Amino acid sequence: EAQVTQNPRYLITVTGKKLTVTCSQNMNHEYMSWYRQDPGLGLRQIYYSMNVEVTDKGDVPEGYKVSRKEKRNFPLILESPSPNQTSLYFCASKLAGGRETQYFGPGTRLLVL
Amino acid sequence: AQSVTQPDIHITVSEGASLELRCNYSYGATPYLFWYVQSPGQGLQLLLKYFSGDTLVQGIKGFEAEFKRSQSSFNLRKPSVHWSDAAEYFCAVGGGGGADGLTFGKGTHLIIQP
Repeated sequence: EAQVTQNPRYLITVTGKKLTVTCSQNMNHEYMSWYRQDPGLGLRQIYYSMNVEVTDKGDVPEGYKVSRKEKRNFPLILESPSPNQTSLYFCASKLAGGRETQYFGPGTRLLVL
Repeated sequence: AQSVTQPDIHITVSEGASLELRCNYSYGATPYLFWYVQSPGQGLQLLLKYFSGDTLVQGIKGFEAEFKRSQSSFNLRKPSVHWSDAAEYFCAVGGGGGADGLTFGKGTHLIIQP
């Protein structure tokens, strides 16, 4: 089944404790992206990757890191999480090109205490 | 910079009634426009998209949307809603260029009254 998977789905952590949220897609998509969703703000893009070893900042990149060493994986790293990073995170992927549909993972709900 | 406005934060509709969710966009060139739905506790699912051609596009679950360039709008419609349509709806705009990503509106929360 074609899909985008994220792990973990739920995570509670404490301020400053490094964490990684994994994202994997099995559709051979070039483009991958991370969004965060906050009430009243919709989805905002954190980072994106046009292909392996090519990443760039989205609208809200502060406090996050990403890497794209393989085409299928695009982990999101919070090296020193803070409470303002409490949010719902979505990974998405698609083929290259503006017309292509983005497919979203199920989301990761993060609480930083 | 591109932007999307969904003027209605919440909309309440009776089951069986018609629905229209509004979306206005700002984009310099011909936009690629999308509607996504997010059911409670779920990820986002594409309802429909427009990038050229017929300005009335059909999607899944009985939804349609009409692109009106003169009004910079891409409103979502459904002739008769079902209780299962209760969800959050997001309009998004994308385009060419290097970023290739989507800019989302803030969403409209749809409530269905029995």
